Amino acid sequence: GQNIDQPTEMTATEGAIVQINCTYQTSGFNGLFWYQQHAGEAPTFLSYNVLDGLEEKGRFSSFLSRSKGYSYLLLKELQMKDSASYLCAVLANQAGTALIFGKGTTLSVSS
Amino acid sequence: DVKVTQSSRYLVKRTGEKVFLECVQDMDHENMFWYRQDPGLGLRLIYFSYDVKMKEKGDIPEGYSVSREKKERFSLILESASTNQTSMYLCASSRGLAGDPPQYFGPGTRLTVT
Repeated sequence: GQNIDQPTEMTATEGAIVQINCTYQTSGFNGLFWYQQHAGEAPTFLSYNVLDGLEEKGRFSSFLSRSKGYSYLLLKELQMKDSASYLCAVLANQAGTALIFGKGTTLSVSS
Repeated sequence: DVKVTQSSRYLVKRTGEKVFLECVQDMDHENMFWYRQDPGLGLRLIYFSYDVKMKEKGDIPEGYSVSREKKERFSLILESASTNQTSMYLCASSRGLAGDPPQYFGPGTRLTVT
């Protein structure tokens, strides 16, 4: 079966660093995505990993280990506006039609 | 920038009504998707389409149908709306290539069925 696990909720303070973990077991693997979703809004694309290693994009970084079925999203210098839900998703086929989502991690950033 | 638009942000319908949700994308994407999102359940795929007039069932197709007569437009139809279809509906699109896979989402339609 297809399974993606991530913590339900996390809290952190402004200026801190937070790591959101994601583990997956899927029938195929063609890349892992992280999306950010603010309350009441649509998910927006943050990052994409298809090879092992770290991808850095400003304050956000994403890591992938395919052998371990594991990824994390690292958020540095947290700001209040980073309070949102973070969705991990695995693309299970090459056609791009089987994107499997985790249930999301709700991050609350306090001052 | 990719733009995916949905016909309504908020919709209130009565039980038994036929409901149409429309989605339009302007990037010539082959793939289009309809999801619903509910608290604690995450995003669940209802239907997707990989070409005009082609459609595939997702994880929860019961009670829904879709139509794709033009490449840029993908419609979700609730034949007879029920209260358990109250949800946030999200449309997405992507290219049909492994090298450019991110799905881009529309703003969502929050449907309430009373």
